[in-house]
Amino acid sequence: DAKTTQPTSMDCAEGRAANLPCNHSTISGNEYVYWYRQIHSQGPQYIIHGLKNNETNEMASLIITEDRKSSTLILPHATLRDTAVYYCIVRVAEGSSNTGKLIFGQGTTLQVKP
Amino acid sequence: KAGVTQTPRYLIKTRGQQVTLSCSPISGHRSVSWYQQTPGQGLQFLFEYFSETQRNKGNFPGRFSGRQFSNSRSEMNVSTLELGDSALYLCASSLLGGGETQYFGPGTRLLVL
Repeated sequence: DAKTTQPTSMDCAEGRAANLPCNHSTISGNEYVYWYRQIHSQGPQYIIHGLKNNETNEMASLIITEDRKSSTLILPHATLRDTAVYYCIVRVAEGSSNTGKLIFGQGTTLQVKP
Repeated sequence: KAGVTQTPRYLIKTRGQQVTLSCSPISGHRSVSWYQQTPGQGLQFLFEYFSETQRNKGNFPGRFSGRQFSNSRSEMNVSTLELGDSALYLCASSLLGGGETQYFGPGTRLLVL
């Protein structure tokens, strides 16, 4: 089972910031939080990941709470092309037998509206 | 650098047949993982290969198998196809597997009639 909980769906106005929450209360100290998105029937696209510090790249920002039990993906200026299913994944710890495995939940369907 | 490529992109088979799907990882990547996506079950891990060895396996029947070649290209095979095998099959590559970021291909959509 997925170790994360996300809202099923969210709406966002075009040009506004989209803030996608994720709860991962059972995360272990050496597990990363990964975000992927999947635009209709395409392969998932890697967005960003982090361990404990906030991260930013050209696509998004990732804010992880100090206790690491939740995080928020921020798309600063959402466009219609950002409409997709967003998956928050806690990566199985390195060194375990399952390191090559991503466990996907149901994700959040983000609808960006004009 | 070219991304992960998968062939074919679309495939129609009938029950009882077998199918082979191919995945070429990003150049230099040595780990390939396979996933199945269906509307009912979502994205599920099938198996991972690294250096021609299966390193990890998901909870799928033995009809699902795979292999990896010395150039890191991977194939997966499904024998005795069932209607429920209709799905989007995705492969993802990473440099060394383990805790590294996986990059996905566009997928192969399989329809079993």
